[in-house]
Amino acid sequence: EAQVTQNPRYLITVTGKKLTVTCSQNMNHEYMSWYRQDPGLGLRQIYYSMNVEVTDKGDVPEGYKVSRKEKRNFPLILESPSPNQTSLYFCASSLAAEPYSYEQYFGPGTRLTVT
Amino acid sequence: GQNIDQPTEMTATEGAIVQINCTYQTSGFNGLFWYQQHAGEAPTFLSYNVLDGLEEKGRFSSFLSRSKGYSYLLLKELQMKDSASYLCAVRDSTSGTYKYIFGTGTRLKVLA
Repeated sequence: EAQVTQNPRYLITVTGKKLTVTCSQNMNHEYMSWYRQDPGLGLRQIYYSMNVEVTDKGDVPEGYKVSRKEKRNFPLILESPSPNQTSLYFCASSLAAEPYSYEQYFGPGTRLTVT
Repeated sequence: GQNIDQPTEMTATEGAIVQINCTYQTSGFNGLFWYQQHAGEAPTFLSYNVLDGLEEKGRFSSFLSRSKGYSYLLLKELQMKDSASYLCAVRDSTSGTYKYIFGTGTRLKVLA
């Protein structure tokens, strides 16, 4: 089944404890992206990757890191989480980022709480 | 700067037609997407416009006017299952790469 998977789905952690949220897609997609979704603010892009070894900052990259060593995986790293990073996180992928109608497929989401 | 505006909430009756508007400001417009998101779930793709005009897909249609920075999503023959949030998103190529900017979403309630 074609899908984007994220792990973990739920995480409660404490301030300053490094964590990684994994994202994997099995559709051979070139473009991958991370978003956070907060009430009243909508989906905001954190980082995106046009292809392997190519990553760029979105609108809210502070406090996050990413890497794209393989086409299928795009982990999100929080080196020192803070309470303002409590949010619902979505990973998404699309076939390409070329100007075609390649929609993004979203993972199921990771609900992160930082205390 | 980049900005997308859409109404926060709308209510309509089962069987009716509803139009959800979206206005945007971006210097590197490269396509507009509509997604549907049910509560507690991930967004799913509904439609895409890059040229002016209307795109129709079953009960859903989406319109784009690039000169006005305006789009709408039209839902016909509303069903209870259409109760969800509808997200307008613009793909922007200002930086030479492709970023996505989402509106805050329109929560649609369909009443029996």
